[in-house]
Amino acid sequence: DAGVIQSPRHEVTEMGQEVTLRCKPISGHDYLFWYRQTMMRGLELLIYFNNNVPIDDSGMPEDRFSAKMPNASFSTLKIQPSEPRDSAVYFCASSFRTSGRKGYEQYFGPGTRLTVT
Amino acid sequence: KNQVEQSPQSLIILEGKNCTLQCNYTVSPFSNLRWYKQDTGRGPVSLTIMTFSENTKSNGRYTATLDADTKQSSLHITASQLSDSASYICVVSAFPGYQKVTFGTGTKLQVIP
Repeated sequence: DAGVIQSPRHEVTEMGQEVTLRCKPISGHDYLFWYRQTMMRGLELLIYFNNNVPIDDSGMPEDRFSAKMPNASFSTLKIQPSEPRDSAVYFCASSFRTSGRKGYEQYFGPGTRLTVT
Repeated sequence: KNQVEQSPQSLIILEGKNCTLQCNYTVSPFSNLRWYKQDTGRGPVSLTIMTFSENTKSNGRYTATLDADTKQSSLHITASQLSDSASYICVVSAFPGYQKVTFGTGTKLQVIP
């Protein structure tokens, strides 16, 4: 398996532009997560989906952020309009439900480094 | 408020030496605790995962311990190697809603020859 695939790996854009980040989860996984990582705040969960349905989006910072999962093999995170403070590394992760309290092992993608100038 | 605190923030050790990283949490009700390793420029990779009934879990030279009473966990690295240089992140999940996680800010480990 190729693992979680994210594109692009690097994105540089100007303030005010729309940015779309893409993620392909591991085949067969039924959970998908979007995270943001910065030096100041570390890793933050933005939103997660179960069977393509958004379950918890309380981590989405503001209305400029939106995420979709039209099918089991594709998800997007969109920022419109982008601002310099959105500069961060955005990770996508996927997991498959297993029984018990251990929850689900999450597999992270390589991340997209976003720079907004 | 759920919190996860890690110490030290950074650590430099000589190759071959052992080290222990600490994680204290206030997440409740507790579901599970994970340790991740994150190499520079990469996504986190899971090392261990423990529930409240598990006191210790090993993965090669990595051994994690959990004290659910004191809400503390540690990650012990034995006979460190240069490839162990990375950030180590403690992540605690609350029950129910296994995916609602609280991340520590990580410990940056550097192993030098």
